[in-house]
Amino acid sequence: GDSVTQMEGPVTLSEEAFLTINCTYTATGYPSLFWYVQYPGEGLQLLLKATKADDKGSNKGFEATYRKETTSFHLEKGSVQVSDSAVYFCALSDRGGSYIPTFGRGTSLIVHP
Amino acid sequence: EADIYQTPRYLVIGTGKKITLECSQTMGHDKMYWYQQDPGMELHLIHYSYGVNSTEKGDLSSESTVSRIRTEHFPLTLESARPSHTSQYLCASSTGISYEQYFGPGTRLTVT
Repeated sequence: GDSVTQMEGPVTLSEEAFLTINCTYTATGYPSLFWYVQYPGEGLQLLLKATKADDKGSNKGFEATYRKETTSFHLEKGSVQVSDSAVYFCALSDRGGSYIPTFGRGTSLIVHP
Repeated sequence: EADIYQTPRYLVIGTGKKITLECSQTMGHDKMYWYQQDPGMELHLIHYSYGVNSTEKGDLSSESTVSRIRTEHFPLTLESARPSHTSQYLCASSTGISYEQYFGPGTRLTVT
C-alpha cells in the first residue's frame, strides 16, 4: 500500500536559519503530493501541493519539488521565523485509487528568536 | 477560504456519557472524514463518507459511529465514553478534483 515517511522531530532552529524537512513516499499509482501545517490548537491547513513530476509547490516562502525519480517531496524554507513553529505533515493522494489520503507522522518545528 | 466547523472545541465529560461531536461544511464537498490525533501528532482515520447515506470505517478501530444524512453534516457519536476516548478529533472534507483536504479546528475531548 501507499506510505509516507518524514523525518522525526522536533526540529529546532534559530530564527533566519534554513529549513529542510525530508519526505519520501511509496505509491502504486501516480499521486498528488501535499504539505500541511498545524499550528497549536488548530486543525491542519494546506501549505502547498504538487500534482505531477518536477512540479514545485510554493507558499509563504516554503517550497517543495515533486521528485519522481527519488520519490521525494522535501519541504524547504530559506529563512524561518518564530511564527513558523508548528507541526508539518507530508501527505499523498493516489488519484487513480481511493479518496483516502496517506499522511506522514508529522514533524514538529520549533524556531527560537 | 475553507469553511468547515466543529463543535464543541473542548469537551470534558464523565465515563459512560453519550456524546456527539458536530462537523459541518459549507463548501458542498461530497467527501468527509473523521480523524483521531494522538499526542504524538499522528493522524488515524476512523470514519469517512463519500456522500449522503455513505459511511465507512477507517483504519483505526473505533467505538464511535457516524451518519451522513445531509451533504454538509457529518456528526460522530460515542454511545458510552471511556477514558481511552480522550483525544483530539479532527473533521475534514474534500472534493474529488483536487484531492486536498480541508480541516476543521478540532474537538479536544477529555473523558474522566
